[in-house]
Amino acid sequence: EVQLVESGGGLVPPGGSLRLSCAASGFTFSTYTMNWVRQAPGKGPEWLSYINSRTGTIYYADSVKGRFTISTDNAKNSLYLQMNSLRADDTAVYYCARDFHYSFDHWGQGSLVTVSS
Amino acid sequence: QTVVTQEPSFSVSPGGTVTLTCGLSSGSVSPSHYPSWYQQTPGQAPRALIYYTNSRSSGVPDRFSGSILGNKAALTITGAQADDESDYYCVLYMGSDVNWVFGGGTKLTVL
Repeated sequence: EVQLVESGGGLVPPGGSLRLSCAASGFTFSTYTMNWVRQAPGKGPEWLSYINSRTGTIYYADSVKGRFTISTDNAKNSLYLQMNSLRADDTAVYYCARDFHYSFDHWGQGSLVTVSS
Repeated sequence: QTVVTQEPSFSVSPGGTVTLTCGLSSGSVSPSHYPSWYQQTPGQAPRALIYYTNSRSSGVPDRFSGSILGNKAALTITGAQADDESDYYCVLYMGSDVNWVFGGGTKLTVL
């Protein structure tokens, strides 16, 4: 069974940093491309970032480009999102999602990030 | 700026059929946008329903179907059930510059 489990969320002041992790199991992690998607309270989801660890291809949404960094550790079957210069409008539930034919076929349960002083 | 449009809300009677749509603020949706659809209930992560316009994700009942209708992607639910009452989101792939854009979602009520 495919499982994605996010961790690392919490309360952080504006301008602060946080690193989210996503532990994957139930599939060969290194052969899949992965994404981060977030959902602000009461809003729809927003795609943030994509990584293909085999080719090194990485994409970011304009809203996080230059502030967030996606990475993987295939030995640990893990996906990460380093978030710097956090702002109040980064407050959201952050999901990792497996990429499948230009869609997101499996999602984690989400990790809440709250940016507030 | 790319905006993906969805009906804010829709209602359907139990057993009825409903079609939700997913459009672009400028231009037409085509299979090259790889439309996908997701169902989300409060407090839960989105669940994949449809990918590649009309392919059902694993475990999704066949009363959910996807298509292109005119210039929009569409999700049709046939024989609506009470537990279909959810938010439904579409996503379009806009190419490597913009990548994936979610629609604002449709809140479906079954009553």
